[in-house]
Amino acid sequence: DAGITQSPRHKVTETGTPVTLRCHQTENHRYMYWYRQDPGHGLRLIHYSYGVKDTDKGEVSDGYSVSRSKTEDFLLTLESATSSQTSVYFCAITSGASTDTQYFGPGTRLTVL
Amino acid sequence: AQSVTQPDIHITVSEGASLELRCNYSYGATPYLFWYVQSPGQGLQLLLKYFSGDTLVQGIKGFEAEFKRSQSSFNLRKPSVHWSDAAEYFCAVDKAAGNKLTFGGGTRVLVKP
Repeated sequence: DAGITQSPRHKVTETGTPVTLRCHQTENHRYMYWYRQDPGHGLRLIHYSYGVKDTDKGEVSDGYSVSRSKTEDFLLTLESATSSQTSVYFCAITSGASTDTQYFGPGTRLTVL
Repeated sequence: AQSVTQPDIHITVSEGASLELRCNYSYGATPYLFWYVQSPGQGLQLLLKYFSGDTLVQGIKGFEAEFKRSQSSFNLRKPSVHWSDAAEYFCAVDKAAGNKLTFGGGTRVLVKP
């Protein structure tokens, strides 16, 4: 298994509070991604990073920000959580080669009350 | 824009029977194609991928998929299903060298004894 950990694994928070999810990898891969998974939608890309301090928006980026200050860590922040952000969040990594596979972390289940 | 459609939300199959999961994509060129599996409470695991060449691709756990350009399809098959194949299956596509995946909505497979 690829060395990807996500923390926390479960979180319950209240509407309006800030939340930060962490993805940590030990593979020294260049690309890192944040997805959210909701029933019927599969996984949708929120943000991704192609290097330290290099990030870009995905399909569903509104309400989310990211930061990557080190190769191994990619943080996802919900500045003011809303109930619509209740979801399971997955981090993924890849080396960046066009034929490489994306490897996924175990996920974080976030509930916003 | 590219989209991925998995027409079947749920499929129930008897143990030992064959399984076929459908995936259609809309994209002008031939994208890179992937099938992932997600067991309950787990992250996603790659079953197989197609980039070019032989249109019949072999994967792990006895799965195979066939790319049909004329039908814009990449259907997943297994000749004989085991109870451990009960999971959710996701088709995904990526523009060549894009390193960004677009997922279908998923097909949940239930296996009857």
